[in-house]
Amino acid sequence: QQPVQSPQAVILREGEDAVINCSSSKALYSVHWYRQKHGEAPVFLMILLKGGEQKGHDKISASFNEKKQQSSLYLTASQLSYSGTYFCGTEGTTDSWGKLQFGAGTQVVVTP
Amino acid sequence: DAGVIQSPRHEVTEMGQEVTLRCKPISGHNSLFWYRQTMMRGLELLIYFNNNVPIDDSGMPEDRFSAKMPNASFSTLKIQPSEPRDSAVYFCASSLGEGEAFFGQGTRLTVV
Repeated sequence: QQPVQSPQAVILREGEDAVINCSSSKALYSVHWYRQKHGEAPVFLMILLKGGEQKGHDKISASFNEKKQQSSLYLTASQLSYSGTYFCGTEGTTDSWGKLQFGAGTQVVVTP
Repeated sequence: DAGVIQSPRHEVTEMGQEVTLRCKPISGHNSLFWYRQTMMRGLELLIYFNNNVPIDDSGMPEDRFSAKMPNASFSTLKIQPSEPRDSAVYFCASSLGEGEAFFGQGTRLTVV
């Protein structure tokens, strides 16, 4: 089953913050976050493993709450380059090893 | 490394024809994934291989789809016969263990 992302879309002004959520109906082993620009391939941002850790990449960070089977991606002081569609990919603890399934994506538009 | 290489980049074919998509993963990677992306369904996992062995093909839509990985450096996804509803962007991705997945540039398939 695919994870569920929210919101579907968000429009930000440069410098504003946003949160993208990813939730699953099953126990998770890992959560991956990717960003895809129009017409391009998805690009890896970060991976969070079971253990509730938080990670950061520039001003983009993420948390993983394994008990709630949720992950959140935080866009802080957004830049124009942050525009794109963000996908979370999840690997469940009962899935076949390495099975990575993606949510429907959250479209982020950052305006000047 | 040149990254994951997919060919062709674009394919237009008539309904009923056989279509073969090709992928060369990053050297040394042991997992290979085939995804299909459409506006309606997002990024769907079709099949993935580990050490050239198909691990999970539950996402393959129907018997018209087949995938092979004869060696560590090459994989194919075949659709026979193709139908208009198969039109999508098909991505191949590879990874090493449970690390980040690197995506190819995709093949945009149009079936008319």
